[in-house]
Amino acid sequence: QSALTQPASVSGSPGQSITISCTGTSSDVGSYNLVSWYQQNPGKAPKLMIYEGNKRPSGVSNRFSGSKSGNTASLTISGLQAEDEADYYCCSYAGSSTWVFGGGTKLTVL
Amino acid sequence: QITLKESGPTLVKPTQTLTLTCSFSGFSFSTGAVGVAWIRQPPGKALECLALIYGDEDKRYRPSLKSRLTITKDTSKNQVVLSMTTMDPVDTATYYCAHFAPSGHAFDMWGQGTMVTVSA
Repeated sequence: QSALTQPASVSGSPGQSITISCTGTSSDVGSYNLVSWYQQNPGKAPKLMIYEGNKRPSGVSNRFSGSKSGNTASLTISGLQAEDEADYYCCSYAGSSTWVFGGGTKLTVL
Repeated sequence: QITLKESGPTLVKPTQTLTLTCSFSGFSFSTGAVGVAWIRQPPGKALECLALIYGDEDKRYRPSLKSRLTITKDTSKNQVVLSMTTMDPVDTATYYCAHFAPSGHAFDMWGQGTMVTVSA
């Protein structure tokens, strides 16, 4: 069970769109549409932003969206805002009732 | 609403056993697919799912740590307990418990986390 691969960092200017990738294998991301995304601010617990690949919990801005192609899932944030600056983690079902996280991506809003 | 809170020692010595308790409210653990997970985060590093226990008592462990981990639940007390043996300084981390929602296949609510330092 290896961690999913995310870019260490991404950046964008306010108003722009950014995409964070999350690459797994045919045993996890590629086999199930069960990827979730979490936002973590410094010193805080993670917060669920996307579940089941592209669904948003109540209260999460529609600027956040998720998608998947093959073994890679993606989180897109449109209309970037300063408050979006945080660390983002993906998580995928990996079979046999187990779950694997990505290495995390630090988003910087320039 | 669902709340979770971790408790346990902040400092343990190498080779000791760590025992952490997650006290929760706002959901029933009698539904088979509901779960509570322990997830840790070493300083400056990524999240790692250590263990997950489902309402039907099914338990899953991180393969690389399986021999050191035990997760149990006490439904009457609304608690989930994680034990981790043979602690090492590399186990220094913030340990979170989180609610697993079967309806969304995600960890939808998290505790605040508890920092555990392993040092002599």
